[in-house]
Amino acid sequence: NAGVTQTPKFRVLKTGQSMTLLCAQDMNHEYMYWYRQDPGMGLRLIHYSVGEGTTAKGEVPDGYNVSRLKKQNFLLGLESAAPSQTSVYFCASSDYHLAGGLNEQFFGPGTRLTVL
Amino acid sequence: GQQVMQIPQYQHVQEGEDFTTYCNSSTTLSNIQWYKQRPGGHPVFLIQLVKSGEVKKQKRLTFQFGEAKKNSSLHITATQTTDVGTYFCDLEGNQFYFGTGTSLTVIP
Repeated sequence: NAGVTQTPKFRVLKTGQSMTLLCAQDMNHEYMYWYRQDPGMGLRLIHYSVGEGTTAKGEVPDGYNVSRLKKQNFLLGLESAAPSQTSVYFCASSDYHLAGGLNEQFFGPGTRLTVL
Repeated sequence: GQQVMQIPQYQHVQEGEDFTTYCNSSTTLSNIQWYKQRPGGHPVFLIQLVKSGEVKKQKRLTFQFGEAKKNSSLHITATQTTDVGTYFCDLEGNQFYFGTGTSLTVIP
């Protein structure tokens, strides 16, 4: 099992360009998440999904869109990239969220994005 | 909204010294998870705490959930160079919030 994979690993964009980051998981998890990580800011949740066809906003959703057309994939889109979106992006997945149940998130290796 | 304070932000210790990081929430939590991220790596799950006052141990690591379920701590006894990394708490209430992390450096 590959776990959680992310493509691409690195990307450099010019301001105003668009791109899509792909996250795939092979653990049949219901929940998937997109985070960005900036120095001194920790991990901030951008969007998340509690199941196929559903998405919800996280802490910092502006400038990003997401789609979960298939259970195993969660796409993060930047329609018009800005330098403030330079960051490391992590995707994660977790099993169905039972109250009091284990909520272990499995993270992908990350995508390092630079916007010039 | 949720406010998460994790302190300290950085900690340098001599190998063999103890280390503690604290995570504080402004609201009552359902549960809390702890993660470790090695330099250049991705966060890896360590443990989940659910019950008020819960204490769990993993070898030299001790995790504690506050009685009011608003704070938590991670204590490492006799640090080793393999403990280097950033430790994050992940708070679960109405939403999902990660703390800002504590970066641990262990000096051999």
